[in-house]
Amino acid sequence: QSALTQPASVSGSPGQSITISCTGTTSDVGGYDYVSWYQQHPGKAPKLIIYHVSKRPSGVSNRFSAFKSGNTASLTISGLQTEDEADYYCSSYTTSTTRVFGGGTKLTVL
Amino acid sequence: EVQLVESGGGLVQPGRSLRLSCAASGFTFDNYAMHWVRQTPGKGLEWVSGISWNSGTIAYADSVKGRFTISRDNAKNSLYLQMNSLRAEDTAFYYCAKGLYVEVGTTDYFDYWGQGTLVTVSS
Repeated sequence: QSALTQPASVSGSPGQSITISCTGTTSDVGGYDYVSWYQQHPGKAPKLIIYHVSKRPSGVSNRFSAFKSGNTASLTISGLQTEDEADYYCSSYTTSTTRVFGGGTKLTVL
Repeated sequence: EVQLVESGGGLVQPGRSLRLSCAASGFTFDNYAMHWVRQTPGKGLEWVSGISWNSGTIAYADSVKGRFTISRDNAKNSLYLQMNSLRAEDTAFYYCAKGLYVEVGTTDYFDYWGQGTLVTVSS
């Protein structure tokens, strides 16, 4: 099972908004509304920030939003803050195995 | 406070076995599915295996199917991963992760993670 495709890196300035894409196929992202996003700071465990395509767990800032269109899911972070600098991973249910992750995107806050 | 503490990692030769454990606390363990997710140092995440609240549903990634066995002991609030026939490509940090729901399948979301235990497979 191939990983979902994410850009290797994105960057933005404090206060700006950025969007990270996650492209799959009809066997995963396009076929199911079971997409999630994780944030991982260096040396730390991942943190769930989005599930069911666009739902935020309790305690996650509403600066994080997400949606899906066709085979591509997207995570938007608005009002960028320095603490948002981290790696972001998307994940989706797939028909071939239970769950697949994207390759990860490194967000740099300039 | 939810806590997941992995143990059992280390250096092992190719073809040998290793058993990982995860001690859970701070939540009702038998109300949730549990998972193992691994991460190659400096690289991405890979879901390895999941087990439903009552061990009734178990799933594995194709890369470990037939070699790894997941299990849980709800009386001990513990999750396990028996890894046999280890290969160099199994080298990774292994995370124990709590599922958001009771079952394994479409809604495998991981809302709490341990700090991971490093498994290195090398001769």
